[in-house]
Amino acid sequence: DVKVTQSSRYLVKRTGEKVFLECVQDMDHENMFWYRQDPGLGLRLIYFSYDVKMKEKGDIPEGYSVSREKKERFSLILESASTNQTSMYLCASSKGGETQYFGPGTRLLVL
Amino acid sequence: AQSVTQLDSHVSVSEGTPVLLRCNYSSSYSPSLFWYVQHPNKGLQLLLKYTSAATLVKGINGFEAEFKKSETSFHLTKPSAHMSDAAEYFCVVTLNAFSGNTPLVFGKGTRLSVIA
Repeated sequence: DVKVTQSSRYLVKRTGEKVFLECVQDMDHENMFWYRQDPGLGLRLIYFSYDVKMKEKGDIPEGYSVSREKKERFSLILESASTNQTSMYLCASSKGGETQYFGPGTRLLVL
Repeated sequence: AQSVTQLDSHVSVSEGTPVLLRCNYSSSYSPSLFWYVQHPNKGLQLLLKYTSAATLVKGINGFEAEFKKSETSFHLTKPSAHMSDAAEYFCVVTLNAFSGNTPLVFGKGTRLSVIA
């Protein structure tokens, strides 16, 4: 079975803090994705990566950056957390153009 | 560009009655279409997918969806709702898998409630 894990289920941070969300997949997938999920808005793509050290902006990249130093790991970074970044963050991975597999999500609260 | 519209934000059915969750898509090219389900406090799970093979697609837990190109629709159905079907459902579109690596575009979700 494909497994996508995220480092934390729940996270509480203060405004201005630097936040790291980690995602790891164990199926040697080339593609990895970060989404945020908000009520009534569905999932919106923040960043994605097709290969190590490659990254592409999604629909809402402002205020975020990413890092992909190893194939299995894709990190989402909030350089200076703000209250409007309080959300559920979902990581996904896929092989080629096939189905995306999702992690359990990290619920981030920024105070 | 692709987009997807889920026509109902909330659907409520009685246990044992049919389920219909509606989805319309827009895509310039041959699309791949998916339905994902998210139970409370859980990650997203793939229910079924259409990738230009049979237009009637069967998924897990008795769900199925029919791709209708003329109507640009991909509605999700189930003959008889079960209490465990209560969840959030997302319709998703992307370019056909053979067109390369394209991110998914999600609808805003339909919350399904099942009444005993």
